[in-house]
Amino acid sequence: DAGVTQSPTHLIKTRGQQVTLRCSPKSGHDTVSWYQQALGQGPQFIFQYYEEEERQRGNFPDRFSGHQFPNYSSELNVNALLLGDSALYLCASSLGRQWGEDSDNQPQHFGDGTRLSIL
Amino acid sequence: GQQLNQSPQSMFIQEGEDVSMNCTSSSIFNTWLWYKQDPGEGPVLLIALYKAGELTSNGRLTAQFGITRKDSFLNISASIPSDVGIYFCAGQISSNTGKLIFGQGTTLQVKP
Repeated sequence: DAGVTQSPTHLIKTRGQQVTLRCSPKSGHDTVSWYQQALGQGPQFIFQYYEEEERQRGNFPDRFSGHQFPNYSSELNVNALLLGDSALYLCASSLGRQWGEDSDNQPQHFGDGTRLSIL
Repeated sequence: GQQLNQSPQSMFIQEGEDVSMNCTSSSIFNTWLWYKQDPGEGPVLLIALYKAGELTSNGRLTAQFGITRKDSFLNISASIPSDVGIYFCAGQISSNTGKLIFGQGTTLQVKP
């Protein structure tokens, strides 16, 4: 039973470039969330995708965009990279449900992340 | 915005000792989660809590969802060297959100 997989594991870019990170959710999961983790900090929520739509967004600029495919995998795109975008980008998957349903909460499971370095 | 205050920031203990860490918030949460992150890896879920007052164990780990719904603690009993890592608490404000809010992490070091 494969867990959450992310690619690539490491990436080096320069300022102004664009990057695409990929995530395959855990088997049986249909919801994907993306987080940015700066060194020495806890992860910060970027956005969540469910049924191929962005369902919720954190406090990140429009340079950060995403996509979810019919097979539930997801991409995170970042345009016009800044030095401050250097971080570990984590993908988390969970089993989606209609918001408001309190029963059978499904926790998010994380991949090992993509380490993005901006030069 | 919502914030989680996690303490202590770091701990250095002797193997066999018990450990306790906690998270507090100014906001009410309906879900508390505890994760452990090793270097070069993503956070791994340890315990999930969904009801105020809930006390849940996972081996030597025990976590509780505070009655006020604004805090949670994690205890590790009889620590071993492989307990080394960074422990994060995370919470969800309501069932109408997919957003997890994380604490700053507690770095645990265990001396054999």
